[in-house]
Amino acid sequence: AQTVTQSQPEMSVQEAETVTLSCTYDTSESDYYLFWYKQPPSRQMILVIRQEAYKQQNATENRFSVNFQKAAKSFSLKISDSQLGDAAMYFCAYRSPSFSGNTPLVFGKGTRLSVIA
Amino acid sequence: NAGVTQTPKFRILKIGQSMTLQCAQDMNHNYMYWYRQDPGMGLKLIYYSVGAGITDKGEVPNGYNVSRSTTEDFPLRLELAAPSQTSVYFCASRPRVSTDTQYFGPGTRLTVL
Repeated sequence: AQTVTQSQPEMSVQEAETVTLSCTYDTSESDYYLFWYKQPPSRQMILVIRQEAYKQQNATENRFSVNFQKAAKSFSLKISDSQLGDAAMYFCAYRSPSFSGNTPLVFGKGTRLSVIA
Repeated sequence: NAGVTQTPKFRILKIGQSMTLQCAQDMNHNYMYWYRQDPGMGLKLIYYSVGAGITDKGEVPNGYNVSRSTTEDFPLRLELAAPSQTSVYFCASRPRVSTDTQYFGPGTRLTVL
């Protein structure tokens, strides 16, 4: 079974600075999907960014980018120009590529990010 | 565009009571999921469905039941509530296309006393 590990329970960053959240995963599959979700105090799960394992290019969404190292099974999230609204829990998640529907997301335990004004 | 909706938002149950958490999506998604999130933890899969009439267990199904009579609705039933079921419950859906992500509802916070 796949596992996802987030080794940083809490992180903090100064407003306008850059922060990197770590995520590692364990899998024997060669094709899969990786996600970062943001969960603000409202509890809503918001997709931040996604990466398909067969793509070598790192995904980027505005101020959010990932460093995907497939051989090392590492998938870190970099937030540039941090804003107060970025404060939230961030979850790394893994999904197998099956077409059967039996492919739920496997989540890490999360990293709580605080942004200091 | 409603997306994935869940009711109720909050609920307090006494030990031994039963209730149904409602989930509906209006995106015609085939796949639907129920997760629970315990304090300080990530989400864990309870049950999932690949289409109307088809459901299957996830990682933590004990104490729960589901049904999927329509594409839109995927209710989660708690029988004989226990304190260990105190959690936040999320419903999610996604289309059949494998590359697409899951869309989450706003969650239901359940407390069992």
